[in-house]
Amino acid sequence: DIQMTHSPSFLSASVGDRVTINCKASQNINKYLNWYQQKLGEAPKLLIYNIDNLQMGIPSRFSGSGSGTDFTLTISSLQPEDVATYFCLQHDSRPFTFGAGTKLELK
Amino acid sequence: EVQFVESGGGLVQPGAFLKLSCVASGFTFSDYWMSWVRQTPGKTMEWIGDIKYDGSYTVYAPSLKNRFTISRDNAKSTLYLQMSNVRSEDTATYYCSRSYYSVRLDYWGQGAMVTVSS
Repeated sequence: DIQMTHSPSFLSASVGDRVTINCKASQNINKYLNWYQQKLGEAPKLLIYNIDNLQMGIPSRFSGSGSGTDFTLTISSLQPEDVATYFCLQHDSRPFTFGAGTKLELK
Repeated sequence: EVQFVESGGGLVQPGAFLKLSCVASGFTFSDYWMSWVRQTPGKTMEWIGDIKYDGSYTVYAPSLKNRFTISRDNAKSTLYLQMSNVRSEDTATYYCSRSYYSVRLDYWGQGAMVTVSS
């Protein structure tokens, strides 16, 4: 199975900060990397699909980048409503696998 | 609006059988692959498996394929997950999600909570 490793596991930032969250795959996953946001008690919400494609309805302050095994989710200007856990998903090969997530809090 | 409503969860005893349902609306269900994903109380996400749009092909996580079965009824826009011989480690929230070509797991249901305990 492909292992997905998040960094950092926990992040504290201020409103307006630029935030970056990283995900590393144990092998090349081509373009098949999604980013999700999950707020407490809610279902995961897709933010970015296939590395850098913004899902419909998601604010443009969210962006994705990377290639091969290393990927980044960036929030250009953190807003209070962005407090959540963010996790990545590789869907290049089955079984699809998730990262453990990065918990983002406000400083 | 794309929506999924999962049902069938609850408290079950170890060794029991359980069948979860996911009713979809707001899109053409028969055009989409569908997946089940679970999230443990510790928040670990695990992909269970998926089923082709016409129900002709399923793929499972190797650790679960002997006990879990995914099926669908396109006439009812419903996805199913049968769980047999459940164990305490199956305690989780179970989500259904859809995929269309390379855009995979884009929308998720609200989840069905399953607790396995005697």
